[in-house]
Amino acid sequence: QEHLVQSGGEVRKPGSSVKVSCKASGGTFNDSAINWVRQAPGQGLQWMGGIIPMFERTDYAQKFQDRVTLTADESTATAYLELGSLRLDDTAMYFCAKINRVAGSFDFWGQGTLVAVSS
Amino acid sequence: QSALTQPASVSGSPGQSITISCTGANNDIGIFNFVSWYQQHPDTAPKLIVYEVSKRPSGVSNRFSGSKSGNTASLTISGLQTEDEAEYYCCSYAGTSVAYVFGSGTKVTVL
Repeated sequence: QEHLVQSGGEVRKPGSSVKVSCKASGGTFNDSAINWVRQAPGQGLQWMGGIIPMFERTDYAQKFQDRVTLTADESTATAYLELGSLRLDDTAMYFCAKINRVAGSFDFWGQGTLVAVSS
Repeated sequence: QSALTQPASVSGSPGQSITISCTGANNDIGIFNFVSWYQQHPDTAPKLIVYEVSKRPSGVSNRFSGSKSGNTASLTISGLQTEDEAEYYCCSYAGTSVAYVFGSGTKVTVL
């Protein structure tokens, strides 16, 4: 059974950056597509972007492409999301999820990481 | 890319069937069969319950079924149970430039 474990919650000030990790186990990592989805308090799900480590390929949602960097460390099977120029409305739960590249579905999810942006 | 449109809430009594609609556009649901549905209970991560429009992952109850017609996908929950009370989201692939778009979410209440 595949498992994704994310890093703990973070508190940041506006204008700073945050880096969230997502460690995979129980499956293959290098040819996986790890994607990131955020959920603001009381709001819906929003796709942010994804990375396929084997191909060093990244895709970003237009809304975030200027502020998000996705990376992966194949040696530790860990994916990272770095979000810069944080704003108050970036306060949200950030989820990583492994996509089934054939079916286009988010098959396995991390537990989520709460990022709170406060002055 | 705007979110897919879902009703804010749907309710039903135990044992009844309910259907949640998910309306997109010609560049997402209308041309791709990569429609999936997720169930999210409060303070938990979403869980995949339907993929590729109508397929169910192993372990998901056959009370959940999906379909699609034109630009609208639907999720039907039959034999409604109290544990089905949750938020439900649809999702569609939307091509290489946008990739994925989620629905606005539907809160299901079991009366």
